[in-house]
Amino acid sequence: DTEVTQTPKHLVMGMTNKKSLKCEQHMGHRAMYWYKQKAKKPPELMFVYSYEKLSINESVPSRFSPECPNSSLLNLHLHALQPEDSALYLCASSQELGGAGTGELFFGEGSRLTVL
Amino acid sequence: EDKVVQSPLSLVVHEGDTVTLNCSYEVTNFRSLLWYKQEKKAPTFLFMLTSSGIEKKSGRLSSILDKKELFSILNITATQTGDSAVYLCAVEAPPNTGNQFYFGTGTSLTVIP
Repeated sequence: DTEVTQTPKHLVMGMTNKKSLKCEQHMGHRAMYWYKQKAKKPPELMFVYSYEKLSINESVPSRFSPECPNSSLLNLHLHALQPEDSALYLCASSQELGGAGTGELFFGEGSRLTVL
Repeated sequence: EDKVVQSPLSLVVHEGDTVTLNCSYEVTNFRSLLWYKQEKKAPTFLFMLTSSGIEKKSGRLSSILDKKELFSILNITATQTGDSAVYLCAVEAPPNTGNQFYFGTGTSLTVIP
C-alpha cells in the first residue's frame, strides 16, 4: 500500500462551523505533513509531525489545530475559518525526519475546502 | 532566506516538441532535489536527485542536478497532451532548519495537439 488517503475530498463550511480533515497512510512512514495550496501557487507547509510529535508549526493561526492520534493517522481540526482559508489541503508522509535524506514526499489527493 | 526558483513560469508547446524546465535553488545544507508533476489534484513524484551529473531517466522524462551551480533541469521529449501539468521542484534541507521541503512556484506546461 503506497497511498496516502485523505477525506473528505471536498468540504464546504461556514465560518462558525467546526470540521475536520483526515489523513491516513500505511507505509510505516514516521513523518506526516499538512500543506495548504492556493490556486496557481506551490504547496505551503503548515505542520510536520515526526514520530507522532509536532515538530514544525509554520506560524499557522490557531483556528487550524493538528492532531496525530497514531503513526498512521493525521487530522486537521478546523474552527472559525475565514473565506481566505479556502484552498486545497494536502497531506503528505515521508520515511522519517533526519538521517541522510528523507526521500520523497508521498501526497494524498487533497481535500478541497471552501469557506463561505 | 532559503528559496527555490523555477523558470519559465508557464510554457505552451505543440505535441512532439522537447521542453526543458529549470529549477535553481539557494538552500542551506542541501540534501536532495525532487521533481513532481501536478495535474488537478495531488503532486505525483517524478525524480529525486542527490548527486551532481547523474541523469535520472523515466521514459520521455529525464533530469539532472548540478550542485556546483545549484540548479536542476527536467527534460521532456516528444511531448504529449498528457504532459500538460504544473511541474514542481522541491529541495530538501535538514529538518532543524525549520521547513525541510522548499517548493518552487512551479512551471505550468500546456501541450497543444
